[in-house]
Amino acid sequence: GESVGLHLPTLSVQEGDNSIINCAYSNSASDYFIWYKQESGKGPQFIIDIRSNMDKRQGQRVTVLLNKTVKHLSLQIAATQPGDSAVYFCAENANFGNEKLTFGTGTRLTIIP
Amino acid sequence: DTEVTQTPKHLVMGMTNKKSLKCEQHMGHRAMYWYKQKAKKPPELMFVYSYEKLSINESVPSRFSPECPNSSLLNLHLHALQPEDSALYLCASSQWAGGRGNGYTFGSGTRLTVV
Repeated sequence: GESVGLHLPTLSVQEGDNSIINCAYSNSASDYFIWYKQESGKGPQFIIDIRSNMDKRQGQRVTVLLNKTVKHLSLQIAATQPGDSAVYFCAENANFGNEKLTFGTGTRLTIIP
Repeated sequence: DTEVTQTPKHLVMGMTNKKSLKCEQHMGHRAMYWYKQKAKKPPELMFVYSYEKLSINESVPSRFSPECPNSSLLNLHLHALQPEDSALYLCASSQWAGGRGNGYTFGSGTRLTVV
């Protein structure tokens, strides 16, 4: 079946460095992608989204890159801070009006002080 | 108000109990969702309500019964659960079905333990 998965389950980054979290998706019909951050004991928090007609989108300290050719998504976090420690999920949705959002397996990001 | 509020935050129930989880949002969102999340796993979709009508049931066992009394409220009624149903139950809402725009807004969840 279709799935959204991540290359690495855990990632440790020195405080102040940049981090890159990767995600592979297999549903070629996916045209909308979201990155979520989930801290312990909390629900997922929206970080940034991107539509398939774009290959890059920037937010505050975050950049999402989309490579449709290889079905790959990445989240770049600049100048990481201790508060960035969390589990990060990519999620995808196919076709506007389709209500199903499918989550990837998640990456735990740990910021080393 | 930009939050999704879930109550209770924690719930312990026996296998013969009946309990309900509640979710509320006042953002005018027209789609609401129940997700189940096991430890160290991603959220898995259970139900979707769009314009107060059930639009997706992801083959969830009938011991879970959703209800959408109005556009701001979503309930999940629980009956005769099994220990393997222990999980974090997340409610989410979005302006439109599929979360286009600003994705979904999630609540903090109800941590359910079935004993």
